[in-house]
This record gives sequence, structure tokens and C-alpha cells, in this order.
Amino acid sequence: EAGVTQFPSHSVIEKGQTVTLRCDPISGHDNLYWYRRVMGKEIKFLLHFVKESKQDESGMPNNRFLAERTGGTYSTLKVQPAELEDSGVYFCASSQVGSYNEQFFGPGTRLTVL
Amino acid sequence: GQQLNQSPQSMFIQEGEDVSMNCTSSSIFNTWLWYKQEPGEGPVLLIALYKAGELTSNGRLTAQFGITRKDSFLNISASIPSDVGIYFCAGPPGSNYKLTFGKGTLLTVNP
Repeated sequence: EAGVTQFPSHSVIEKGQTVTLRCDPISGHDNLYWYRRVMGKEIKFLLHFVKESKQDESGMPNNRFLAERTGGTYSTLKVQPAELEDSGVYFCASSQVGSYNEQFFGPGTRLTVL
Repeated sequence: GQQLNQSPQSMFIQEGEDVSMNCTSSSIFNTWLWYKQEPGEGPVLLIALYKAGELTSNGRLTAQFGITRKDSFLNISASIPSDVGIYFCAGPPGSNYKLTFGKGTLLTVNP
């Protein structure tokens, strides 16, 4: 069974540009989460989807971040316009219905904003 | 928000040594999770603990859910070079889905 995949693995952009990160969860996992780790800090929750619905986006830093999960399969996280403080590793995770604790993480996308 | 205090921040040990790390919280956790992250990979779940006082093993790894429900420990016995990585404690405060993570313990094993 394929795990959670994320694309791209790395992205280097300039301040003010737009970047879109993609996450493909484990097949059949209705729950999809985005987390972020900024250098030197802990991994922090950004938002949670159940199928195509946003259940909780309380961790999203500001309105420059937009997450979507059309069709309830893969998800995208767009940052527009990117700022220097957006640099970090963005992780996606997924879990089965009713299994919030056992979240399976993807390899992450390392975003560098110059 | 919730914070997990994880220590030590880093450890540099010799192969064969035992390792111990811990996490504490100011509030009660109903579940404690221990993850390991290797370079270029995402965190991988090692052990999940669901009951206060629970002691669970996974090979050379042993983790315990503290009686107060505000702490957890992870021990690695007879470390080997492939144990290197960052170990994170995590948990969902209360019964929700948002995982709160510690800052991680960077483990280096010298062959």
C-alpha cells in the first residue's frame, strides 16, 4: 500500500511569488491534515479535512494560505504571496475514519522563501 | 496553546548504549505518541500509548504513559547506528485530532 506522498519535495521561491504544495493521502483515508515545522521549532498543526470538508483550519497562519481538497482525494496548499517567514517543512498526514491518533505522515515539502 | 516540553534536545552516544528521553506537559493528555523522523522523511509512528501507566514495547523501544497523564518516556536499548534521527513526542490534547508535538530529540549514534 502506498504511503502519503507529497510534491514537490523541495521548493525555492522568491518573496512575493506563489507556491502550491500537493498531498496525496493513503487511499481510503478520509482524514487529511497539514502541519508545518519552521526551523528550530516544533511541528505545528495547520488544518484538518474530513473528505472534502475543512473541519478545522485554526492553525492556518493567515489568509495568504489556502488549502483545498476537491473531491475528497488529494489536497493542495497554496501560499500567495509567499513571505520569508513561510519557509519551513510542510507535512501532510492522513488517517482512517475515527482514527485520529494514528496519523501517517508524508515526507514533507521543504519550502524556502528568499 | 498546548506545549510539550521534550528533553534532551540532542544526544550523542556510542553504539550499544541505552537512551532515554521524555516529554512533559502542563495539561493532561489522553494519548501519547512517539514518532521518529529520519532525514528526508516524514515522522513515522513508533509507539502509541492510550492508558495512564501503560508500558509498551516495540523491539528495542519501550515507552511509558505517565501516571499523572502529563508525561511520557521513551527508552531505546542497545542503540545501533540506524537509530539516528529526531524523536518526537506528540499527543492530541483532549480527544481531538490536532497533534501537539514536542520540539524533538536529535539522536546521534557513534559506531
